[in-house]
Amino acid sequence: DAKTTQPPSMDCAEGRAANLPCNHSTISGNEYVYWYRQIHSQGPQYIIHGLKNNETNEMASLIITEDRKSSTLILPHATLRDTAVYYCIVRVPPVYNFNKFYFGSGTKLNVKP
Amino acid sequence: SQTIHQWPATLVQPVGSPLSLECTVEGTSNPNLYWYRQAAGRGLQLLFYSVGIGQISSEVPQNLSASRPQDRQFILSSKKLLLSDSGFYLCAWSVPIRAGDEQFFGPGTRLTVL
Repeated sequence: DAKTTQPPSMDCAEGRAANLPCNHSTISGNEYVYWYRQIHSQGPQYIIHGLKNNETNEMASLIITEDRKSSTLILPHATLRDTAVYYCIVRVPPVYNFNKFYFGSGTKLNVKP
Repeated sequence: SQTIHQWPATLVQPVGSPLSLECTVEGTSNPNLYWYRQAAGRGLQLLFYSVGIGQISSEVPQNLSASRPQDRQFILSSKKLLLSDSGFYLCAWSVPIRAGDEQFFGPGTRLTVL
């Protein structure tokens, strides 16, 4: 029961920034936004997560709108190895310290030379 | 450091045959454990999760079952496979005391039911 909407696919030129959008208009005030990616035939890999403020790590930046109804994952300098399916997930508030993630269909990012 | 193992990596089974997929985690104690399934071209579907030995919760009714006989071992089973059980099965773990943390996924098992 995914609570997010993402475009099915996007193209990006190698070396340019990749901006992946995600809509989560029904998000609750205590729900986090997580991003994972899945390279073909591998397990998903955690990228970043946030609640209200913008976040940045060594992999990417996460920009969350002020109303929290949408967010954008930014890969600042996309490489061919960033070609993958990117999942935006709203985390159901944990029960007894237990996380449950509901993955949607994601966005297939194609990084082209 | 923590690692997660799954085996087998690939499996081809006839309809009606039994199934047993195994997942083990190293380097951590009392992890939360999860089984997901990914059908071809689709997103991940959470099947089962466990917060401790013998404690299994099912997300969706299905032909599969899960067990956790040891702290860091999670097993996915079926008595009789269906064609619809084909897919990519992923095991994951997370740290239970830090609810905001991410899940770490294993390499997966690709199951084809013929």
